[in-house]
Amino acid sequence: DAGVTQSPTHLIKTRGQHVTLRCSPISGHKSVSWYQQVLGQGPQFIFQYYEKEERGRGNFPDRFSARQFPNYSSELNVNALLLGDSALYLCASSWSGGYNEQFFGPGTRLTVL
Amino acid sequence: QKEVEQDPGPLSVPEGAIVSLNCTYSNSAFQYFMWYRQYSRKGPELLMYTYSSGNKEDGRFTAQVDKSSKYISLFIRDSQPSDSATYLCAMSAGAGGTSYGKLTFGQGTILTVHP
Repeated sequence: DAGVTQSPTHLIKTRGQHVTLRCSPISGHKSVSWYQQVLGQGPQFIFQYYEKEERGRGNFPDRFSARQFPNYSSELNVNALLLGDSALYLCASSWSGGYNEQFFGPGTRLTVL
Repeated sequence: QKEVEQDPGPLSVPEGAIVSLNCTYSNSAFQYFMWYRQYSRKGPELLMYTYSSGNKEDGRFTAQVDKSSKYISLFIRDSQPSDSATYLCAMSAGAGGTSYGKLTFGQGTILTVHP
């Protein structure tokens, strides 16, 4: 079975631009979570979606938004990019929102110049 | 003070050694405890998942949770060069409240096992 997939693998943007990152969960999983991992640090929680509804939100500005589609895939959008948004963005899949065994994808590496 | 503290190392051991990795935490609401392994430029891979206090063993890996001390450990027996990676502890309070689904991670310990 395929694991969590994310696209693109990496991308380069300039300050002020907008970016959309995509994630497909493991088949049968209904929840997707997004994390930001800065080099040398552990992942930081951004959002969790379950059954297309936002169920949890981390301490990130409103420039960050997400949504989940009927097929349970998800998008993370970041507006007005800042240099500090450069990081590895990770998507994690779980069977349900409250079930905490989360399986991560390979991530999207975002570089903001 | 961070909710989860993890010694970043780096930790270097010879092949075959027993490795001990540790995390402390301050949030008494944490009930679920996980260890992830992350190779360079890859996503974290779930190694161990435990609920509440106690021990769990899986092959060469043993996870221990002591909620009274707010302390968790991962032991790796007979370490191999392929175990060289960053090890991340993660914790969750479960499905309630604003922390719904949130994993809180330590900053990771870089482990190198040399032949």
